Amino acid sequence: GDQVEQSPSALSLHEGTGSALRCNFTTTMRAVQWFRKNSRGSLINLFYLASGTKENGRLKSAFDSKERYSTLHIRDAQLEDSGTYFCAAEDVSNYNVLYFGSGTKLTVEP
Amino acid sequence: EAAVTQSPRNKVAVTGGKVTLSCNQTNNHNNMYWYRQDTGHGLRLIHYSYGAGSTEKGDIPDGYKASRPSQENFSLILELATPSQTSVYFCASGDRGSNERLFFGHGTKLSVL
Repeated sequence: GDQVEQSPSALSLHEGTGSALRCNFTTTMRAVQWFRKNSRGSLINLFYLASGTKENGRLKSAFDSKERYSTLHIRDAQLEDSGTYFCAAEDVSNYNVLYFGSGTKLTVEP
Repeated sequence: EAAVTQSPRNKVAVTGGKVTLSCNQTNNHNNMYWYRQDTGHGLRLIHYSYGAGSTEKGDIPDGYKASRPSQENFSLILELATPSQTSVYFCASGDRGSNERLFFGHGTKLSVL
């Protein structure tokens, strides 16, 4: 939606390298989720953050509500990391309202 | 800009009643999806469609039907609503391909009493 700008829309990495995805918010958000979409359309939850940073394996995410952004860092990218990644942010006044980024297509090449 | 519109935005239903959630997209996308969002479960896929006339079961299809009468419209149908179906439902559309980007609607908050 208009409240979330996700970038880049597409990203190509060589195996072993890393990069970051970013979501900027036009308003203050309460929390953010990061998902990865599988081939069927299921959205696998990667992180849920209300503040600070979280790390899981080669993925690390950060959320700064005041500065209105969140990032997803991928290090040592592997071929199986290829896919589409989304962020979704919770409205500060109503956590039932989610605003989605439109996704980043990540391609990891040998 | 891609547009996905859901209706209604809010709905209160009674147990055993029929509920239809509608989704319209003007992106000319082939694929459309219905998800529900619940605390602790993230977004779960209910049904999806590859195009007009197509409906496929997602990860949690029980208690739901779907209908894709046209490229633009994808409905989620609860024939006999139950309180456990109280949730926020999101529709999305996307192009073909495993690495497709999705465009989401603003959600429908459903309460089944």
